[in-house]
Amino acid sequence: AQSVTQPDIHITVSEGASLELRCNYSYGATPYLFWYVQSPGQGLQLLLKYFSGDTLVQGIKGFEAEFKRSQSSFNLRKPSVHWSDAAEYFCAVDLTGGGNKLTFGTGTQLKVEL
Amino acid sequence: NAGVTQTPKFQVLKTGQSMTLQCAQDMNHEYMSWYRQDPGMGLRLIHYSVGAGITDQGEVPNGYNVSRSTTEDFPLRLLSAAPSQTSVYFCASSLGGARGNTIYFGEGSWLTVV
Repeated sequence: AQSVTQPDIHITVSEGASLELRCNYSYGATPYLFWYVQSPGQGLQLLLKYFSGDTLVQGIKGFEAEFKRSQSSFNLRKPSVHWSDAAEYFCAVDLTGGGNKLTFGTGTQLKVEL
Repeated sequence: NAGVTQTPKFQVLKTGQSMTLQCAQDMNHEYMSWYRQDPGMGLRLIHYSVGAGITDQGEVPNGYNVSRSTTEDFPLRLLSAAPSQTSVYFCASSLGGARGNTIYFGEGSWLTVV
């Protein structure tokens, strides 16, 4: 069965520092990959997605992610973190592409120190 | 444009009671899904639908029932609520079919079963 692993449950970074959140998936073919962000008490907001083509994907809020097939990874990055980036981040995969069957990782809680 | 609308936002139930979480979308999306979110477990798929009259089970369907009589609505029914169903529930929709569709989430419904 497909699975998504986010190894880091909690990450703390200083404001202005760079950020990388890890995501690994387990599936034979290339899935459709997503990163979502969730602020406390809120719903999910899509940061970016990868379906094919350029393996470096740009998203909203200055985030980017790189798909590495050889490592089965889709890590999320941001060059300079802002205090407002504090939230929980979820990596997700979709095998069908239609968007009705997402498998999520367990999430990474990001804390930003001022 | 309302997007995906969930009601109620908060609900407290007693064990054994039944209730329905409502989900409606105004984007003419074919695909709709229900997820539950529990601490440390990310989001897990409960049920999904690829069109009116068509539903199927996801990862954690037990204790839940769904139907899809119209394209717009996808209600989730708890038949006999249990404390284990205390969770945050998210409805999602997408165009479906073609690949690369964006998945839209509702703002969530917080359910407590006592």
